[in-house]
Amino acid sequence: EPEVTQTPSHQVTQMGQEVILRCVPISNHLYFYWYRQILGQKVEFLVSFYNNEISEKSEIFDDQFSVERPDGSNFTLKIRSTKLEDSAMYFCASKEMANTEAFFGQGTRLTVV
Amino acid sequence: GESVGLHLPTLSVQEGDNSIINCAYSNSASDYFIWYKQESGKGPQFIIDIRSNMDKRQGQRVTVLLNKTVKHLSLQIAATQPGDSAVYFCAENSRSSNTGKLIFGQGTTLQVKP
Repeated sequence: EPEVTQTPSHQVTQMGQEVILRCVPISNHLYFYWYRQILGQKVEFLVSFYNNEISEKSEIFDDQFSVERPDGSNFTLKIRSTKLEDSAMYFCASKEMANTEAFFGQGTRLTVV
Repeated sequence: GESVGLHLPTLSVQEGDNSIINCAYSNSASDYFIWYKQESGKGPQFIIDIRSNMDKRQGQRVTVLLNKTVKHLSLQIAATQPGDSAVYFCAENSRSSNTGKLIFGQGTTLQVKP
């Protein structure tokens, strides 16, 4: 069964450092997303990406965040200068169409120290 | 604004009993709803979805009910098993956004007692 894969599963970084979280969405999907989940809280939308550009972003997705689809398979989330409050689980998701179910990866646990 | 909420943070049931997890939403324009299951340390896993032109949809051991009049959604799990223990989220696919983003509720933790 096709699945969304994310690497690394856990990333520890020092405050102020840049991190790149990587995702490989399901191959025939066209819509890509990043979500964040702070420990014990709900899943929050960060950004959506379609047709090689950001289609929507939340208030959380400020200038420190960026996304890229550098080739036909990878989808990355970069945080330029991490803050302590960026510590969370980051989930990548993809959809075949906008109004169908999203498939989520297993997540990357980001710990900023 | 948009919000999706769940009624109870924790639900404890006996193995074999039926479970009902509730969710309320505020956006009357919402037209697509999804239930996700999240096990510890894992990503949300799709369980079942329902569109606003339906009021009930059944899957394997799960049923989702949608009451648009009171903006309420429920997930029923029949014959609950220990493997059903997880956090359950309802999510709305916002019709106000054509990007397909999901708005999640707070989550209900289902604990199944043997």
